[in-house]
Amino acid sequence: QVQLVQSGAEVKKPGASVKVSCKASGYTFTGFHMHWVRQAPGQGLEWMGRITPNSGATNYAQKFQGRVTLTRDTSISTTYMDLTRLTSDDTAVYYCAREGSFDDYTDWGQGTLVTVSS
Amino acid sequence: QSVLTQPPSVSAAPGQKVTISCSGSNSNIGNNYVSWYQHLPGAAPKLLIYENNRRPSGTPARFSGSKSDTSATLAITGLQTGDEADYYCGTWDSSLSGSVLGTGTKVTVL
Repeated sequence: QVQLVQSGAEVKKPGASVKVSCKASGYTFTGFHMHWVRQAPGQGLEWMGRITPNSGATNYAQKFQGRVTLTRDTSISTTYMDLTRLTSDDTAVYYCAREGSFDDYTDWGQGTLVTVSS
Repeated sequence: QSVLTQPPSVSAAPGQKVTISCSGSNSNIGNNYVSWYQHLPGAAPKLLIYENNRRPSGTPARFSGSKSDTSATLAITGLQTGDEADYYCGTWDSSLSGSVLGTGTKVTVL
């Protein structure tokens, strides 16, 4: 069965960076896009970007351009989300989600809480 | 501010039906498939509907999706207390070259 296992919760200070990992298993890692979505407290789901594991190609939401970088390591079936210049507005639960066929997120990681606080 | 607009909340009594609208434009819903997600508190979101109206195995037939022009609709019939959750639509936006998610709708079972 498909599993996406994310790294643990993080506490960061404003201005710092955070890197969250998402390890995939149960399917061919290079065959499906991986997306990152976040939810801030009291807010809705927000798409951040996606990576094509086969090529490493990325698409980012305009809001996060210049601050987010998605990478992957195909040898360990893991994708990474790196977010820089953190502010309190970046406090959120971050999810990785595997795309099925047409931009549908068929499988989700368990979520990683990132808290930004001085 | 999302490019996909949903009503903030809908409610109905157990056994009744609710519909959730998702309004977009030609660059997103009008030319791409729509998915729907159920998000229960403390859990990861779950795919309910994909490719406008297809249900993954595990999604009850009480949930159905449809699309017309630049809008999509999720319908839940035979409402149950376990359906209380936030629901989101999602699709690709060709102009933005990225995914977009709706503003979210909270379903309350009265």
